[in-house]
Amino acid sequence: SQTIHQWPATLVQPVGSPLSLECTVEGTSNPNLYWYRQAAGRGLQLLFYSVGIGQISSEVPQNLSASRPQDRQFILSSKKLLLSDSGFYLCAWSGGQDNSPLHFGNGTRLTVT
Amino acid sequence: GQNIDQPTEMTATEGAIVQINCTYQTSGFNGLFWYQQHAGEAPTFLSYNVLDGLEEKGRFSSFLSRSKGYSYLLLKELQMKDSASYLCAVGRGGYNKLIFGAGTRLAVHP
Repeated sequence: SQTIHQWPATLVQPVGSPLSLECTVEGTSNPNLYWYRQAAGRGLQLLFYSVGIGQISSEVPQNLSASRPQDRQFILSSKKLLLSDSGFYLCAWSGGQDNSPLHFGNGTRLTVT
Repeated sequence: GQNIDQPTEMTATEGAIVQINCTYQTSGFNGLFWYQQHAGEAPTFLSYNVLDGLEEKGRFSSFLSRSKGYSYLLLKELQMKDSASYLCAVGRGGYNKLIFGAGTRLAVHP
């Protein structure tokens, strides 16, 4: 069966520090991969998605970047965090067909101080 | 652009039935998904509709009317563990990109 791992679970970082969040998927090949952010009391916002190694699409302009160095690895990064980057970051995968649901990792709660 | 609306909060009694509505306006519609999210946890998939009509899965059912841009999630025989946020999401364009509503926080009382 497929599993998705995301770490760390919580993170407190000062403003201006770098960020690296990692997500890996097991049990499937060539998944679509996604990064979402959920601000307190708000809906999930799609940040990036990837349909293959090295292929990254950005949905909103922001202080973050994403990379997919391996088929089942997806990384979210920032060079300098802003206070507004605080939130709940969720990685997800899907099988690629239009009716394939997204399956989410357990999320990383990031607090920028 | 896209817009997804659902009520912010609802309350219901254990054992009762509750209907959570969702209206949407979006281009490139590729289906409507419902997710459940308990506080502090990741969303989990509940249901998917791409054609008009009702899809039933145990205590949960979901309905879609594409012409009206409308869906609802119906929860029967409510249990305390059903207290959670319910997220309506629309598939837009290709690559399974889901656009989420802000969610409806459901509180189930004894």
